[in-house]
Amino acid sequence: EAQVTQNPRYLITVTGKKLTVTCSQNMNHEYMSWYRQDPGLGLRQIYYSMNVEVTDKGDVPEGYKVSRKEKRNFPLILESPSPNQTSLYFCASKATSPNTGELFFGEGSRLTVL
Amino acid sequence: RKEVEQDPGPFNVPEGATVAFNCTYSNSASQSFFWYRQDCRKEPKLLMSVYSSGNEDGRFTAQLNRASQYISLLIRDSKLSDSATYLCAVREIKAAGNKLTFGGGTRVLVKP
Repeated sequence: EAQVTQNPRYLITVTGKKLTVTCSQNMNHEYMSWYRQDPGLGLRQIYYSMNVEVTDKGDVPEGYKVSRKEKRNFPLILESPSPNQTSLYFCASKATSPNTGELFFGEGSRLTVL
Repeated sequence: RKEVEQDPGPFNVPEGATVAFNCTYSNSASQSFFWYRQDCRKEPKLLMSVYSSGNEDGRFTAQLNRASQYISLLIRDSKLSDSATYLCAVREIKAAGNKLTFGGGTRVLVKP
């Protein structure tokens, strides 16, 4: 089954404790991206990757890091989480050819930073 | 002004009725347009792309008005299962990283 898998799905942590949210896709997609979704602000892009070893900032990259060492994986790293990073996070992927709009999203990771 | 704006709703719709709502975008260079559906606490899923000539998929009709810079979604014969948040997404010509910009979503509640 074609899917984007995120882990963990739910996490409560404390300020400053480094955490990683993993994302893996099995569709051989070149493009992967991370979004956060907050009430009233919608989906905002954090980082994206056009292919292996190619990453770039989205609209709200502060406080986050990513890496793309393998095509299928695109982990999101919060080196020192803060309460304003409490949010619902989605990883997404899509093929770059054809360049359609269909992003495939993971099920989301709900993060709470105390 | 936000790049992509939607009325957050909720739109309370009697079962069987028709509901329509719009999404406005600010960048005239926008090229591609889409509607996504998001159920409560779930991930967004592509509902349909929006073509210049308009397109229909069953009970759903999407329209694009480039002159006024908005897209619309119309749902006919609403079902209880249509209750969801509908997100519009817009991509500019040559957007860096194929970036899709999403609206905040319009919540639709279909009631018996």
